[in-house]
Amino acid sequence: SQQGEEDPQALSIQEGENATMNCSYKTSINNLQWYRQNSGRGLVHLILIRSNEREKHSGRLRVTLDTSKKSSSLLITASRAADTASYFCGDTSGTYKYIFGTGTRLKVLA
Amino acid sequence: EPEVTQTPSHQVTQMGQEVILRCVPISNHLYFYWYRQILGQKVEFLVSFYNNEISEKSEIFDDQFSVERPDGSNFTLKIRSTKLEDSAMYFCASKTSGRFDTQYFGPGTRLTVL
Repeated sequence: SQQGEEDPQALSIQEGENATMNCSYKTSINNLQWYRQNSGRGLVHLILIRSNEREKHSGRLRVTLDTSKKSSSLLITASRAADTASYFCGDTSGTYKYIFGTGTRLKVLA
Repeated sequence: EPEVTQTPSHQVTQMGQEVILRCVPISNHLYFYWYRQILGQKVEFLVSFYNNEISEKSEIFDDQFSVERPDGSNFTLKIRSTKLEDSAMYFCASKTSGRFDTQYFGPGTRLTVL
């Protein structure tokens, strides 16, 4: 099974600032996904980066991947209050189960 | 963009009653999953389903749980005799058989057991 571990556990920033969160994983991956979960809501797929990619952008999101360190980072630029959520990482593309970490709880203060 | 749907969004039931949570996966997907999240806790894997059978299940998925794909579109989770501790958000997910595809999650069903 695959598992992601996010860091930090909690992050509080002012609106307009950038938010960076990190992810580590243990086994090899096909690709890595980042998900967002608003409080009491479902998991929304944000961005996917393939194992042969090093960086990917999507709007205000920037993801990097370092397979040698088994780590990834998610940067949200110019954060907004609506970005307040928990963020999870990992590879859910295998047929095996996916184990979620505790996520990074991001709070963007207006 | 296709998405996974789940019904109902909120289910309230009495302890000991049976509930069926419904999911409609994305139409060309072949792998199906159920996860649950107790309030304030991690999202936990329950079961995966492929080719009309369970491929993996967690220790949470005991005899009171069952899954079924009754037709070509629905994927259901049945809890036979609900307990208070079954109160949680239940998420369905699906993916294609492709190596590079990710699991897509539904919005969840909030189950409240009284």
